[in-house]
Amino acid sequence: GAVVSQHPSWVICKSGTSVKIECRSLDFQATTMFWYRQFPKQSLMLMATSNEGSKATYEQGVEKDKFLINHASLTLSTLTVTSAHPEDSSFYICSARGGPNEQFFGPGTRLTVL
Amino acid sequence: QKEVEQDPGPLSVPEGAIVSLNCTYSNSAFQYFMWYRQYSRKGPELLMYTYSSGNKEDGRFTAQVDKSSKYISLFIRDSQPSDSATYLCAMSVSNDYKLSFGAGTTVTVRA
Repeated sequence: GAVVSQHPSWVICKSGTSVKIECRSLDFQATTMFWYRQFPKQSLMLMATSNEGSKATYEQGVEKDKFLINHASLTLSTLTVTSAHPEDSSFYICSARGGPNEQFFGPGTRLTVL
Repeated sequence: QKEVEQDPGPLSVPEGAIVSLNCTYSNSAFQYFMWYRQYSRKGPELLMYTYSSGNKEDGRFTAQVDKSSKYISLFIRDSQPSDSATYLCAMSVSNDYKLSFGAGTTVTVRA
């Protein structure tokens, strides 16, 4: 149980385009999902907390207009990187809250912006 | 000072050795402590989850939490090459679902 999927697993896009990443909890409902970014050989940095049916809460320094988050259902949250630039290239990982202070992570999406 | 400090490694051990991983933290409000394993280009996988101080054992893995010293550890007994991965400690404040992660320690178990 507690499986979280992400789609796509990797994506390459041109600078200036937008990219949408999906995060799904497959066998449980998640009222709260989290989006992280991980640069090579660095730890996970929390970008935002996504709550079903309400606006996401962004961490300090994360541009909410650039990283659009939608949590439309109890099993799906999406992250859209708008007007992507090469510096947005990173490994994006979502997690879903499966219980008190437990988070289950997706496999990640590697974004490369050319 | 980072909120969570983790020994950077990398750590290389022979198969069968005990692997010892540690993290220290500065926020005394942390109540929940986790260890995640992350293989290259994959998402983290929850290994151990501990509430407050004490020890927890699961198979070859033992997690220890010493809140008085703000120090947590993970021990891997009889290490296997398949244990080669990056290990991340993470912790959160009670009723706060945000996780604060350590930087991760990369472990290689040599056959």
